[in-house]
Amino acid sequence: GESVGLHLPTLSVQEGDNSIINCAYSNSASDYFIWYKQESGKGPQFIIDIRSNMDKRQGQRVTVLLNKTVKHLSLQIAATQPGDSAVYFCAEATSGSARQLTFGSGTQLTVLP
Amino acid sequence: NAGVTQTPKFQVLKTGQSMTLQCAQDMNHEYMSWYRQDPGMGLRLIHYSVGAGITDQGEVPNGYNVSRSTTEDFPLRLLSAAPSQTSVYFCASSPPGGLGGEQYFGPGTRLTVT
Repeated sequence: GESVGLHLPTLSVQEGDNSIINCAYSNSASDYFIWYKQESGKGPQFIIDIRSNMDKRQGQRVTVLLNKTVKHLSLQIAATQPGDSAVYFCAEATSGSARQLTFGSGTQLTVLP
Repeated sequence: NAGVTQTPKFQVLKTGQSMTLQCAQDMNHEYMSWYRQDPGMGLRLIHYSVGAGITDQGEVPNGYNVSRSTTEDFPLRLLSAAPSQTSVYFCASSPPGGLGGEQYFGPGTRLTVT
């Protein structure tokens, strides 16, 4: 079946730099996308979401970009902090079943001092 | 609020044994779900419930049963455990309204089947 996947399994950035985490999706029927953060030993935590009628959405220090033409999603974290170190997952859904999420495999973000 | 709680945190089973993973939430959320997470992978949906008395299958339902007799509780039952069910299990709940993706996850249950 179709799935959501991530380009990079690991990403290391210097503290204070910006981070960009990428995600590719293949289900053309998906019209709703979400980013989650998972710290070691904990459950995922919602970060931000975006519907397919938008190209960009901003939150506190985070921005999600959606390129429907190439089926690509990215999460930008500004001024990365040590507390941002975690695994980041993108997830997709259709608006008719928005709570039934299909997750990608995750990217490990490590913030270097 | 305690949020979403799960018990136990860790469990070891032998092949063929049965057990129930408990999940409870105190946020009065209608929607609840169970996911499993295998090493190096994202979460996969097992079962979900849109309200008390209503359950449905997700992506990987085989080998698992659920019931939803109250809004607060959503237990996951393994009738005959298999090594392939070794995983970390997460329960989640979601409030009505919104876009639906803002789900609250519990801390997980790490299950090993030998």
